[in-house]
Amino acid sequence: DAGITQSPRHKVTETGTPVTLRCHQTENHRYMYWYRQDPGHGLRLIHYSYGVKDTDKGEVSDGYSVSRSKTEDFLLTLESATSSQTSVYFCAISDWEKNPSGSPDHEQFFGPGTRLTVL
Amino acid sequence: GENVEQHPSTLSVQEGDSAVIKCTYSDSASNYFPWYKQELGKRPQLIIDIRSNVGEKKDQRIAVTLNKTAKHFSLHITETQPEDSAVYFCAARPRKTTDSWGKLQFGAGTQVVVTP
Repeated sequence: DAGITQSPRHKVTETGTPVTLRCHQTENHRYMYWYRQDPGHGLRLIHYSYGVKDTDKGEVSDGYSVSRSKTEDFLLTLESATSSQTSVYFCAISDWEKNPSGSPDHEQFFGPGTRLTVL
Repeated sequence: GENVEQHPSTLSVQEGDSAVIKCTYSDSASNYFPWYKQELGKRPQLIIDIRSNVGEKKDQRIAVTLNKTAKHFSLHITETQPEDSAVYFCAARPRKTTDSWGKLQFGAGTQVVVTP
């Protein structure tokens, strides 16, 4: 697996509390993504980053914010968690210039995921 | 924006039979179509991909076909084995700019169950 870690791996929190999920990569990839995975919906893009301090919204960005202050870290924040944000969150990375497996340049490598439960 | 539909949502096959999963996309400018496999409790991993200038690609027991005119692409798994049991996701890369390079639109997934 590419050098991607996510923390925490599991979290249970209460409605209304702030939550921050961290994605850390050691591959020096330019692009980073946050997805949520829910049954029947596949993987839906929340936010993505195309460089340090460069981020943009995905298809389900409401209620989420992100920050990328350095290449290796991409943070996802739920300012005030709601039960509808209970999900499994995956981080992914990609880069057209670098690819640890030597496969074509478009591959996205996923982190191990974070299971978030909002009560 | 790009919309990807995937069918069926579940697929049960006998070991040794073939499995076919189909996806359609809406953006005719999409030019890259990967397939990811996700085993239970694991992360999605790329298994095969195809670019729009190619009609078919094979890798051992798996193959992907692309029909640009009809805007659909399919995953074919032959001689299925129990270890092929997983969720499979198709994806399409929509019209891109330098900043949005690499963004993927995923289908909803297909749960494949291979029974011995």
